[in-house]
Amino acid sequence: AQSVTQLDSQVPVFEEAPVELRCNYSSSVSVYLFWYVQYPNQGLQLLLKYLSGSTLVESINGFEAEFNKSQTSFHLRKPSVHISDTAEYFCAVSENQAGTALIFGKGTTLSVSS
Amino acid sequence: GAVVSQHPSWVICKSGTSVKIECRSLDFQATTMFWYRQFPKQSLMLMATSNEGSKATYEQGVEKDKFLINHASLTLSTLTVTSAHPEDSSFYICSAKSEVYGYTFGSGTRLTVV
Repeated sequence: AQSVTQLDSQVPVFEEAPVELRCNYSSSVSVYLFWYVQYPNQGLQLLLKYLSGSTLVESINGFEAEFNKSQTSFHLRKPSVHISDTAEYFCAVSENQAGTALIFGKGTTLSVSS
Repeated sequence: GAVVSQHPSWVICKSGTSVKIECRSLDFQATTMFWYRQFPKQSLMLMATSNEGSKATYEQGVEKDKFLINHASLTLSTLTVTSAHPEDSSFYICSAKSEVYGYTFGSGTRLTVV
């Protein structure tokens, strides 16, 4: 079975600073990888995903993540954060098989202050 | 894009009563639906996987007689919390999976049992 480890439970940063949220996974088969963002009392929004192809994936709001198979990682990065990026971020993995669920990491709280 | 409608968005019920939560995929058919539970400040825990017309598969530790899942069609799954107690208070989120859209999440249901 697959699992996801988000190494940082909380990441405080100042506005316009770069940030990296770490995510490592374990699985015995090939996987799909995802990052979701959750604002208070709301559902999940897909930020970006890796299914195949280029190992570097980008979102429309400046986030990017790189799939590193050798290190089993899928870290999320943004070169310059905004106050509005303050939220909970979840890394998730699913096996490359039909009908399998997404398994989530414990989440990282990103707090951006001015 | 794909949309999953989940309702109610919040519900307050008395201890001992049952509550039904609906998860409906709009404009697409979901091959599989998933139900998650999220405690405050924590991650999403997979409760069960359901396929249309068959019994749901529950994760270890989830009481199937307490959390009844019905997946009557390719667009509708329901979760019924039977004889609810305060410890069942939580945020419940459904997800619908399709070959075209991947995983699509509902906006969640905040259940409070008093």
